[in-house]
Amino acid sequence: QKEVEQNSGPLSVPEGAIASLNCTYSDRGSQSFFWYRQYSGKSPELIMFIYSNGDKEDGRFTAQLNKASQYVSLLIRDSQPSDSATYLCAVNRAAGNKLTFGGGTRVLVKP
Amino acid sequence: DVKVTQSSRYLVKRTGEKVFLECVQDMDHENMFWYRQDPGLGLRLIYFSYDVKMKEKGDIPEGYSVSREKKERFSLILESASTNQTSMYLCASTLKGQGATDTQYFGPGTRLTVL
Repeated sequence: QKEVEQNSGPLSVPEGAIASLNCTYSDRGSQSFFWYRQYSGKSPELIMFIYSNGDKEDGRFTAQLNKASQYVSLLIRDSQPSDSATYLCAVNRAAGNKLTFGGGTRVLVKP
Repeated sequence: DVKVTQSSRYLVKRTGEKVFLECVQDMDHENMFWYRQDPGLGLRLIYFSYDVKMKEKGDIPEGYSVSREKKERFSLILESASTNQTSMYLCASTLKGQGATDTQYFGPGTRLTVL
């Protein structure tokens, strides 16, 4: 079992719809969870992080964390073509600032 | 704005060559990281450093070494490049925080091709 798992996609959503991305992790000691966006040929950029159970909203993005189920998700509301990218889930390891990344979910927003 | 720069965007080397990839950050960050990114495998940690002259192996250190002589600079060295080291190499840095929520800032990446 991979430490951090994501569906590779592509996840195709119509413009204006909600995109829902999922991520599961295996290390119960993980404390913080990050979502990065990566455009083709570019480096990852942070969208948001979450460390408490529940929801965290930032603009059109909402991260949801359920530590009991070892599950973190990202919702993108009112999806735009500019949201078409690969979204990487990253989990902070129990010790230190090291992150473990999932393989990423490719999202395609169609006008 | 945090700025992480990498010495080359694209690099082509031959098998057996010694390759240096350099990363510089301008935000006085203590922690620096080297990853490689391959399709379907995501980002994998090669080496990291928590301070000058300090280094620790990540998940896939074989075939690589690193150097951190100055706080702002972290170099990745391929002692004898092989074709299976063809990849995108990403450098990242972060503050040495107390919690686990310190954001890693990435450089633009170096796409290395070994022929």
